[in-house]
Amino acid sequence: EVQLVESGGDLVQPGGSLRLSCAASEYIFSNYWMSWVRQAPGKGLEWVANINQDGSGRGYVDSVKGRFTVFRDNAKNSLYLQMNSLRVDDTAVYYCARWRGAQSEFDLWGQGTLVTVSS
Amino acid sequence: DIQMTQSPSSLSASVGDRVIITCRTSQSVLIYVNWYQQKPGKAPKLLIYAASTLQSGVPSRFSGSGSGTDFTLTISSLQPEDSATYYCQESYSSTITFGQGTRLDIK
Repeated sequence: EVQLVESGGDLVQPGGSLRLSCAASEYIFSNYWMSWVRQAPGKGLEWVANINQDGSGRGYVDSVKGRFTVFRDNAKNSLYLQMNSLRVDDTAVYYCARWRGAQSEFDLWGQGTLVTVSS
Repeated sequence: DIQMTQSPSSLSASVGDRVIITCRTSQSVLIYVNWYQQKPGKAPKLLIYAASTLQSGVPSRFSGSGSGTDFTLTISSLQPEDSATYYCQESYSSTITFGQGTRLDIK
């Protein structure tokens, strides 16, 4: 089955770090852009970051620039999000999503992993 | 950044009704608007891309239209399983933006 499975969500204190992972299966992972999208409790969707097929191109929402880093390992069919200097307002469910490329759409989503930033 | 305004923010309709949700962008995005459905506790699901193209496997009662700054998602005959929150999303710019969502309830 074509799917994405996230892991790594946890409770972390403000200022702390966390790394999220997303494992892709049953499609050619290296052919696609990938993204992270988050959803704070009871709120809407917010795009966080994306990365191109070979990892040479990345983009971030302004609120995470300098704190979050998206990267991928095509040999392991995996996407990652390294989150540093976490803030309370980073609390959200984080989804990885397959992005069909510039001026396109998210056509495959994982089930999400919950990150809670609290003291 | 491009701003996206969805309306209404919530609505309630009956089975069989025609439902229209609109999305307006702060500048032209040509046809680069997509629509997603999200049910509670689940990941979003792609319904419509490039304003009017139905994603594979999505029922034909869903349709999209529009270009420039004004877009609509139409459900031609509402079904009980369509109770969900719907989001528009622009992909014209390098910083991807979602609308704030429209919650659709079944009367």
